[in-house]
Amino acid sequence: EVQLVESGGGLVQPGGSLRLSCAASGFTLSDYYMDWVRQAPGKGLEWVGRSRNKANSYTTEYAASVKGRFTISRDDSKNSLYLQMNSLKTEDTAVYYCARVARTSDFDYWGQGTLVTVST
Amino acid sequence: DIQMTQSPSSLSASVGDRVTITCRASQGIRNDLAWFQQKPGKAPKSLIYAASTLPYGVPSRFSGSGSGTDFTLTISSLQPEDFATYYCQQYNSYPLTFGGGTKVEIK
Repeated sequence: EVQLVESGGGLVQPGGSLRLSCAASGFTLSDYYMDWVRQAPGKGLEWVGRSRNKANSYTTEYAASVKGRFTISRDDSKNSLYLQMNSLKTEDTAVYYCARVARTSDFDYWGQGTLVTVST
Repeated sequence: DIQMTQSPSSLSASVGDRVTITCRASQGIRNDLAWFQQKPGKAPKSLIYAASTLPYGVPSRFSGSGSGTDFTLTISSLQPEDFATYYCQQYNSYPLTFGGGTKVEIK
């Protein structure tokens, strides 16, 4: 059974950093593209970025709103995906989801999400 | 960026009603469109991909249609468990973008 479990969320001050983790199980992480998607409180879904699979050299894509501040990485040996978030802003407050990209390019599995609150 | 415009933003309906939600892309996206259902406090759940394909386990009362710029999600007979927020999403080009959501409420 495919499972994605995020962790690492919490309260951080503006300008601070946080690293989120997504523990994957039930599939071979290196075979799949993996994305991060976020949702601000009471708002819609916003794509954050992508880590391509091993066959595509783990290259990444980012939304303009996070480019240069957020970095996606992974450790396939630990079956884990990461989101390093630096220079955090109040508008980064959101629930952050990791999602697996299916062979058909859509999202087929999502984690339960982890809440990041950026506030003084 | 491709803008995804959903309508309506909310609707009230009764159990058994037929419900239609539309999604328009600001430029052509072939059929690279997915629909998700989200309930409060939960992660989104995939309902449809490739504009009209249902993943395994999704009830057949859900259907999707469209190609290019105009897409539709239809629930043929609304059930109590269908009251939720629905989002469309294009995966044709970066950045991936979502519609603003349609909240389906009980009438």
